[in-house]
Amino acid sequence: DAGVTQSPTHLIKTRGQHVTLRCSPISGHKSVSWYQQVLGQGPQFIFQYYEKEERGRGNFPDRFSARQFPNYSSELNVNALLLGDSALYLCASSLGLQVWGYTFGSGTRLTVV
Amino acid sequence: TQLLEQSPQFLSIQEGENLTVYCNSSSVFSSLQWYRQEPGEGPVLLVTVVTGGEVKKLKRLTFQFGDARKDSSLHITAAQPGDTGLYLCVARYSGAGSYQLTFGKGTKLSVIP
Repeated sequence: DAGVTQSPTHLIKTRGQHVTLRCSPISGHKSVSWYQQVLGQGPQFIFQYYEKEERGRGNFPDRFSARQFPNYSSELNVNALLLGDSALYLCASSLGLQVWGYTFGSGTRLTVV
Repeated sequence: TQLLEQSPQFLSIQEGENLTVYCNSSSVFSSLQWYRQEPGEGPVLLVTVVTGGEVKKLKRLTFQFGDARKDSSLHITAAQPGDTGLYLCVARYSGAGSYQLTFGKGTKLSVIP
């Protein structure tokens, strides 16, 4: 089985633009979480989705939004990009909310110039 | 807001040496996980500890959960260059937002041949 797949792997955007990042969870996993990892830091929680509903939101501005589709894949959208949004964006999938085993994708490296 | 502190932040040792990485919180965890992350990749789960005082071994790695469930340590015996990476402790706390993972900033380990 394929692991968690994220696309694109790398992305360069200009300040003010918007970006959409995509994640496909492991087959059978119904929960997807998004994390932002700034260089030199640990990942910070952005969102968690389960069964297409938002089940958790971290301390990020409204410029960040996400959704989960019927096939459990997910998109993370960021509007009005700032230089500080440059980071590795990680997607993690798990069977469900109460399951402790998370599998992370390799991430999308976003650079805002 | 729960804070998870890891120490040391950086560690550079010679092959064959032993090392210990620490993870501390001001709040009680419901459980704690250790991940290892290599450059350009997502974190990979090493172990989950749930019970206070629990000790788990994974080959040359020994993980311990503090009795009060507010701290954990990772000990590596006879480190090898393949152990190089960013070691992240990740906690889950009880209560609101309990589904999200809280990451420490990580310990960047370099094992020199």
